[in-house]
Amino acid sequence: DVKVTQSSRYLVKRTGEKVFLECVQDMDHENMFWYRQDPGLGLRLIYFSYDVKMKEKGDIPEGYSVSREKKERFSLILESASTNQTSMYLCASSIPGQAGWEQYFGPGTRLTVT
Amino acid sequence: DQQVKQNSPSLSVQEGRISILNCDYTNSMFDYFLWYKKYPAEGPTFLISISSIKDKNEDGRFTVFLNKSAKHLSLHIVPSQPGDSAVYFCAASGNFGNEKLTFGTGTRLTIIP
Repeated sequence: DVKVTQSSRYLVKRTGEKVFLECVQDMDHENMFWYRQDPGLGLRLIYFSYDVKMKEKGDIPEGYSVSREKKERFSLILESASTNQTSMYLCASSIPGQAGWEQYFGPGTRLTVT
Repeated sequence: DQQVKQNSPSLSVQEGRISILNCDYTNSMFDYFLWYKKYPAEGPTFLISISSIKDKNEDGRFTVFLNKSAKHLSLHIVPSQPGDSAVYFCAASGNFGNEKLTFGTGTRLTIIP
């Protein structure tokens, strides 16, 4: 079974703090993704990566950066957290060519910025 | 610009009856369509998908229908079970090699025992 793990299930941070969200997958997937989920807005793509050290902006990259130094690990960084970044953050991974381009998701990190 | 739309935020269905979840899209370049199911405090899990060259795909109780001319897809669950209560997201992707998925806003399905 594919396993995608996220470093924290719940996180509370103060405005202005630097926040790191870690994601690790154990299936040697090339592609990894970071989304945020908000009520009424669905899942919105923040950043994605097709390979180590490679990243591309998604639909809402402002206020975020990412790092992929190793194939299995994809980190999301909030340089200076703000209250509007309070959200559920979901990491996913996938392999090109799988039927339907399925993405496998981690359990999510509920981030609260106060 | 919402390219994938789920216009019903919620749906309640009696146990044993059919649940029909709908999704509309605007981008004619989408080639694959997927449905994901999400329970609270868990990540979404893949349910079923369909290629744009097909109009129907079936997997057990779940069937997805695609109407390309109307840019509309639907997920049918028959018979509905209490464990089907969850939020359902439809998603779409482009040609092979483009892994990016565009998700809809989700529909919360509640199965009434």
